[in-house]
Amino acid sequence: GENVEQHPSTLSVQEGDSAVIKCTYSDSASNYFPWYKQELGKGPQLIIDIRSNVGEKKDQRIAVTLNKTAKHFSLHITETQPEDSAVYFCAASKGSNYQLIWGAGTKLIIKP
Amino acid sequence: GAVVSQHPSWVICKSGTSVKIECRSLDFQATTMFWYRQFPKQSLMLMATSNEGSKATYEQGVEKDKFLINHASLTLSTLTVTSAHPEDSSFYICSARDGEQYFGPGTRLTVT
Repeated sequence: GENVEQHPSTLSVQEGDSAVIKCTYSDSASNYFPWYKQELGKGPQLIIDIRSNVGEKKDQRIAVTLNKTAKHFSLHITETQPEDSAVYFCAASKGSNYQLIWGAGTKLIIKP
Repeated sequence: GAVVSQHPSWVICKSGTSVKIECRSLDFQATTMFWYRQFPKQSLMLMATSNEGSKATYEQGVEKDKFLINHASLTLSTLTVTSAHPEDSSFYICSARDGEQYFGPGTRLTVT
């Protein structure tokens, strides 16, 4: 079955710097890759997603890149702010009728 | 965007009692809802997939007689933890699918 690995487990960056979180997946049939942000004591919130027919997607300070050949995708956050501090999860699925397979999560710490 | 609510947000119950958690999609109809369990500092673990009008599909290792799921309408799914024990204490999160998956805010269950 599908397996999603996420790195690093913890990432600490200076406010204003960029943060990059990487995920790899094993099932080449996966075609949907969302990223979720989870704040303490809350449910995950979808922040950006990408489908396999696209290589990059950007939404203001957040971008996601996908390399289908290497089977990895990354989340890029630029100009980080204190409110970006949270746990970020990547996930993969083979489409809307399939369950999400989750990465282990990355705790992002923004240092003032 | 799509909104999913959960009730209650937190609950404390005594060992041996049952607890019901509600999950509602507020502004869309969800044929499929999902129930997850999350332990501290860990990723989400899918417990079951709930389809409106039919029996839930449980993941391996999840006791269907202990975690009763009812998806009675297109906007409501309930999870009942029966005969709760302290090891059932956890953060329970539901999600509803409207293309993408949208998550509720979670329910913190503490069994004493």
